[in-house]
Amino acid sequence: SAVISQKPSRDICQRGTSLTIQCQVDSQVTMMFWYRQQPGQSLTLIATANQGSEATYESGFVIDKFPISRPNLTFSTLTVSNMSPEDSSIYLCSGGTSGASYEQFFGPGTRLTVL
Amino acid sequence: GEDVEQSLFLSVREGDSSVINCTYTDSSSTYLYWYKQEPGAGLQLLTYIFSNMDMKQDQRLTVLLNKKDKHLSLRIADTQTGDSAIYFCAERFRGSQGNLIFGKGTKLSVKP
Repeated sequence: SAVISQKPSRDICQRGTSLTIQCQVDSQVTMMFWYRQQPGQSLTLIATANQGSEATYESGFVIDKFPISRPNLTFSTLTVSNMSPEDSSIYLCSGGTSGASYEQFFGPGTRLTVL
Repeated sequence: GEDVEQSLFLSVREGDSSVINCTYTDSSSTYLYWYKQEPGAGLQLLTYIFSNMDMKQDQRLTVLLNKKDKHLSLRIADTQTGDSAIYFCAERFRGSQGNLIFGKGTKLSVKP
């Protein structure tokens, strides 16, 4: 299985600022994703992080608000820009394997509070 | 569109079996997953089943898939207090890049 780490694990930020979350996978995964989990809710996919090219965003999420990088197979960053209290959530990085079976693993999440 | 439904709460006594149910709408789903989330933690992949299977057993966990009814269940045998958590059902449908669609989660409470 893949081990996924994220940092920071949590942060408290002021309205209008930006935060970059880093995600590192210990083995090569084919796919990397960023999800958001709002308080008491399920997970919603923000985007698929593509190596060396622009991320693929889901409906309701845009690059200006959530720029994503993936410079290599095992590392990705998500920036939450110009934050507002509505951005307070857990942000989770995920990596998916390829092959005969498809397993998708999650990082521990970054708990963001925006004041 | 894709939708995954779960009941929100389940309460069982320690030592009993727990059965968490899930229904999904996309008949072209290829893999179906169960994740566990403990308070303040990320998601732990418990098990998954490929859509051409109808059952998978892994120690105390049994997954049953009824593809005709689009119904998935997770049975936890001999439930322990450490099994208290939120359990998410998720589907990966054919043609996706690999991203998953999640249910809202079932909160399992285990009483001693």
